Amino acid sequence: QKEVEQNSGPLSVPEGAIASLNCTYSDRGSQSFFWYRQYSGKSPELIMSIYSNGDKEDGRFTAQLNKASQYVSLLIRDSQPSDSATYHCAVKRGGNNRLAFGKGNQVVVIP
Amino acid sequence: DGGITQSPKYLFRKEGQNVTLSCEQNLNHDAMYWYRQDPGQGLRLIYYSQIVNDFQKGDIAEGYSVSREKKESFPLTVTSAQKNPTAFYLCASSIPGGPGADQPQHFGDGTRLSIL
Repeated sequence: QKEVEQNSGPLSVPEGAIASLNCTYSDRGSQSFFWYRQYSGKSPELIMSIYSNGDKEDGRFTAQLNKASQYVSLLIRDSQPSDSATYHCAVKRGGNNRLAFGKGNQVVVIP
Repeated sequence: DGGITQSPKYLFRKEGQNVTLSCEQNLNHDAMYWYRQDPGQGLRLIYYSQIVNDFQKGDIAEGYSVSREKKESFPLTVTSAQKNPTAFYLCASSIPGGPGADQPQHFGDGTRLSIL
Protein backbone atom coordinates (compact mmCIF):
# COMPACT_ATOMS: atom_id res chain seq x y z
CA GLN A 1 0.00 0.00 0.00
CA LYS A 2 1.39 3.40 -0.96
CA GLU A 3 1.90 5.94 1.80
CA VAL A 4 -0.29 8.53 0.09
CA GLU A 5 -2.76 7.80 -2.68
CA GLN A 6 -4.71 10.23 -4.79
CA ASN A 7 -7.43 9.19 -7.20
CA SER A 8 -6.11 8.99 -10.70
CA GLY A 9 -6.95 10.84 -13.87
CA PRO A 10 -7.47 14.52 -14.61
CA LEU A 11 -10.58 16.13 -13.17
CA SER A 12 -12.51 18.40 -15.51
CA VAL A 13 -15.00 20.79 -13.95
CA PRO A 14 -17.03 23.61 -15.46
CA GLU A 15 -16.29 27.11 -14.26
CA GLY A 16 -18.24 27.89 -11.11
CA ALA A 17 -18.64 24.26 -10.07
CA ILE A 18 -17.08 22.47 -7.09
CA ALA A 19 -13.92 20.44 -7.63
CA SER A 20 -13.42 17.61 -5.16
CA LEU A 21 -10.07 15.94 -4.62
CA ASN A 22 -9.48 12.94 -2.40
CA CYS A 23 -6.44 11.48 -0.70
CA THR A 24 -5.91 8.42 1.51
CA TYR A 25 -2.87 7.64 3.61
CA SER A 26 -1.51 4.48 5.18
CA ASP A 27 0.14 5.62 8.41
CA ARG A 28 -2.56 5.81 11.07
CA GLY A 29 -0.23 7.86 13.28
CA SER A 30 0.03 10.75 10.80
CA GLN A 31 -0.92 14.07 12.31
CA SER A 32 -0.33 16.78 9.72
CA PHE A 33 -1.68 17.07 6.20
CA PHE A 34 -1.05 19.56 3.44
CA TRP A 35 -2.38 20.42 0.01
CA TYR A 36 -0.03 21.96 -2.53
CA ARG A 37 -0.97 23.47 -5.88
CA GLN A 38 1.46 23.22 -8.79
CA TYR A 39 0.98 25.09 -12.03
CA SER A 40 2.54 23.56 -15.13
CA GLY A 41 6.27 24.17 -15.17
CA LYS A 42 6.26 25.77 -11.72
CA SER A 43 7.07 24.61 -8.21
CA PRO A 44 4.44 23.54 -5.65
CA GLU A 45 2.90 26.19 -3.40
CA LEU A 46 1.14 25.50 -0.13
CA ILE A 47 -2.57 26.25 -0.20
CA MET A 48 -3.98 24.41 2.82
CA SER A 49 -2.85 22.62 5.95
CA ILE A 50 -5.05 20.65 8.34
CA TYR A 51 -4.29 18.87 11.59
CA SER A 52 -7.62 18.19 13.30
CA ASN A 53 -10.61 16.10 12.24
CA GLY A 54 -13.29 18.09 10.48
CA ASP A 55 -13.32 20.92 8.00
CA LYS A 56 -11.02 23.87 7.55
CA GLU A 57 -12.02 26.66 5.22
CA ASP A 58 -9.83 29.29 3.58
CA GLY A 59 -11.54 31.37 0.96
CA ARG A 60 -12.84 29.08 -1.78
CA PHE A 61 -10.83 26.13 -0.45
CA THR A 62 -12.03 23.65 2.16
CA ALA A 63 -9.89 20.83 3.51
CA GLN A 64 -11.59 17.91 5.22
CA LEU A 65 -9.84 15.40 7.47
CA ASN A 66 -11.10 12.08 8.80
CA LYS A 67 -8.33 10.34 10.73
CA ALA A 68 -10.44 7.28 11.53
CA SER A 69 -10.89 6.63 7.81
CA GLN A 70 -7.37 7.91 6.98
CA TYR A 71 -8.83 10.25 4.45
CA VAL A 72 -8.22 13.89 3.58
CA SER A 73 -9.94 15.87 0.85
CA LEU A 74 -9.85 19.28 -0.78
CA LEU A 75 -12.88 21.10 -2.13
CA ILE A 76 -12.54 24.05 -4.46
CA ARG A 77 -15.76 26.04 -4.61
CA ASP A 78 -16.71 28.34 -7.49
CA SER A 79 -13.87 26.91 -9.58
CA GLN A 80 -12.06 29.40 -11.78
CA PRO A 81 -9.83 28.83 -14.82
CA SER A 82 -6.92 30.00 -12.63
CA ASP A 83 -7.52 26.91 -10.46
CA SER A 84 -6.37 24.70 -13.34
CA ALA A 85 -3.29 23.02 -11.90
CA THR A 86 -2.07 19.81 -10.31
CA TYR A 87 -2.93 19.41 -6.64
CA HIS A 88 -0.67 17.33 -4.40
CA CYS A 89 -1.65 15.80 -1.09
CA ALA A 90 1.23 15.57 1.40
CA VAL A 91 1.35 13.80 4.75
CA LYS A 92 3.91 14.37 7.48
CA ARG A 93 5.93 11.25 8.23
CA GLY A 94 7.27 10.24 11.59
CA GLY A 95 8.59 12.56 14.27
CA ASN A 96 10.54 14.88 12.03
CA ASN A 97 9.22 17.09 9.25
CA ARG A 98 9.53 14.76 6.27
CA LEU A 99 6.58 14.68 3.89
CA ALA A 100 5.20 11.88 1.75
CA PHE A 101 3.49 13.11 -1.41
CA GLY A 102 0.78 11.57 -3.53
CA LYS A 103 1.11 11.53 -7.31
CA GLY A 104 -1.04 14.60 -7.68
CA ASN A 105 -4.39 15.27 -9.33
CA GLN A 106 -4.68 17.48 -12.37
CA VAL A 107 -7.68 19.81 -12.31
CA VAL A 108 -8.91 21.45 -15.50
CA VAL A 109 -11.54 24.17 -15.14
CA ILE A 110 -13.49 24.63 -18.33
CA PRO A 111 -14.73 28.19 -18.99
CA ASP B 1 12.45 39.37 0.03
CA GLY B 2 12.76 36.11 1.92
CA GLY B 3 12.76 33.00 -0.17
CA ILE B 4 14.49 30.00 -1.64
CA THR B 5 16.72 30.43 -4.67
CA GLN B 6 17.61 27.52 -6.89
CA SER B 7 20.13 27.75 -9.70
CA PRO B 8 20.54 27.17 -12.51
CA LYS B 9 17.00 26.99 -13.83
CA TYR B 10 18.08 24.58 -16.59
CA LEU B 11 21.09 22.26 -16.55
CA PHE B 12 22.47 19.77 -19.00
CA ARG B 13 24.67 16.86 -18.03
CA LYS B 14 27.00 14.88 -20.21
CA GLU B 15 27.50 11.17 -19.74
CA GLY B 16 29.87 10.44 -16.86
CA GLN B 17 29.71 13.98 -15.51
CA ASN B 18 28.84 15.13 -12.01
CA VAL B 19 26.72 18.27 -11.76
CA THR B 20 25.80 20.36 -8.74
CA LEU B 21 22.48 22.09 -8.18
CA SER B 22 22.45 25.10 -5.90
CA CYS B 23 19.85 25.86 -3.24
CA GLU B 24 20.08 28.96 -1.02
CA GLN B 25 17.49 30.24 1.46
CA ASN B 26 17.28 33.42 3.53
CA LEU B 27 14.28 32.35 5.59
CA ASN B 28 16.47 31.36 8.54
CA HIS B 29 15.06 27.83 8.28
CA ASP B 30 17.03 25.02 9.89
CA ALA B 31 15.58 22.22 7.77
CA MET B 32 16.15 21.79 4.04
CA TYR B 33 15.08 19.12 1.57
CA TRP B 34 15.71 17.93 -1.96
CA TYR B 35 13.01 16.31 -4.07
CA ARG B 36 12.90 14.84 -7.51
CA GLN B 37 9.79 15.06 -9.70
CA ASP B 38 9.31 13.00 -12.85
CA PRO B 39 6.51 13.77 -15.34
CA GLY B 40 3.13 12.72 -14.00
CA GLN B 41 4.65 11.67 -10.69
CA GLY B 42 4.63 12.97 -7.19
CA LEU B 43 7.62 14.39 -5.37
CA ARG B 44 10.15 11.90 -4.07
CA LEU B 45 12.57 12.77 -1.28
CA ILE B 46 16.26 12.50 -2.12
CA TYR B 47 18.01 13.95 0.96
CA TYR B 48 17.09 16.13 3.88
CA SER B 49 18.92 18.06 6.56
CA GLN B 50 17.49 19.15 9.89
CA ILE B 51 20.55 21.10 11.00
CA VAL B 52 23.93 22.30 9.76
CA ASN B 53 26.55 19.58 9.29
CA ASP B 54 23.95 16.84 9.39
CA PHE B 55 21.83 15.22 6.68
CA GLN B 56 19.95 11.98 6.05
CA LYS B 57 19.08 9.91 3.03
CA GLY B 58 15.56 10.06 1.74
CA ASP B 59 13.76 7.48 -0.37
CA ILE B 60 15.90 7.72 -3.53
CA ALA B 61 19.40 8.83 -2.40
CA GLU B 62 21.41 6.50 -4.65
CA GLY B 63 23.43 8.44 -7.20
CA TYR B 64 23.13 11.72 -5.29
CA SER B 65 25.18 13.50 -2.64
CA VAL B 66 24.68 16.61 -0.52
CA SER B 67 26.48 18.83 1.95
CA ARG B 68 25.24 21.23 4.61
CA GLU B 69 28.13 23.43 5.66
CA LYS B 70 26.02 26.56 6.09
CA LYS B 71 22.48 27.04 7.31
CA GLU B 72 21.57 28.94 4.16
CA SER B 73 22.89 26.46 1.62
CA PHE B 74 22.12 22.84 0.72
CA PRO B 75 23.70 21.92 -2.64
CA LEU B 76 22.82 18.66 -4.39
CA THR B 77 25.32 16.81 -6.58
CA VAL B 78 23.97 14.44 -9.19
CA THR B 79 26.76 11.97 -9.74
CA SER B 80 27.55 9.84 -12.76
CA ALA B 81 26.18 6.89 -10.79
CA GLN B 82 22.67 8.29 -11.28
CA LYS B 83 21.81 6.68 -14.60
CA ASN B 84 18.50 8.41 -15.15
CA PRO B 85 18.98 11.97 -13.89
CA THR B 86 16.52 13.73 -16.20
CA ALA B 87 13.93 15.28 -13.89
CA PHE B 88 12.70 18.43 -12.19
CA TYR B 89 14.61 18.98 -8.94
CA LEU B 90 12.99 20.92 -6.13
CA CYS B 91 14.58 22.28 -2.99
CA ALA B 92 12.44 23.09 0.04
CA SER B 93 12.97 24.44 3.52
CA SER B 94 11.07 24.61 6.79
CA ILE B 95 11.40 25.21 10.49
CA PRO B 96 12.26 21.78 11.94
CA GLY B 97 9.21 19.90 13.09
CA GLY B 98 8.97 17.59 16.06
CA PRO B 99 6.07 15.42 17.10
CA GLY B 100 2.93 17.45 16.92
CA ALA B 101 4.67 20.40 15.31
CA ASP B 102 3.27 21.58 12.01
CA GLN B 103 5.79 23.35 9.88
CA PRO B 104 4.96 23.34 6.18
CA GLN B 105 7.70 23.16 3.62
CA HIS B 106 8.16 25.95 1.09
CA PHE B 107 9.73 25.36 -2.30
CA GLY B 108 12.20 27.06 -4.60
CA ASP B 109 11.47 27.44 -8.32
CA GLY B 110 13.28 24.24 -9.25
CA THR B 111 16.03 23.13 -11.64
CA ARG B 112 15.33 21.09 -14.77
CA LEU B 113 18.14 18.65 -15.46
CA SER B 114 18.54 16.89 -18.80
CA ILE B 115 21.11 14.57 -20.32
CA LEU B 116 22.96 15.73 -23.42
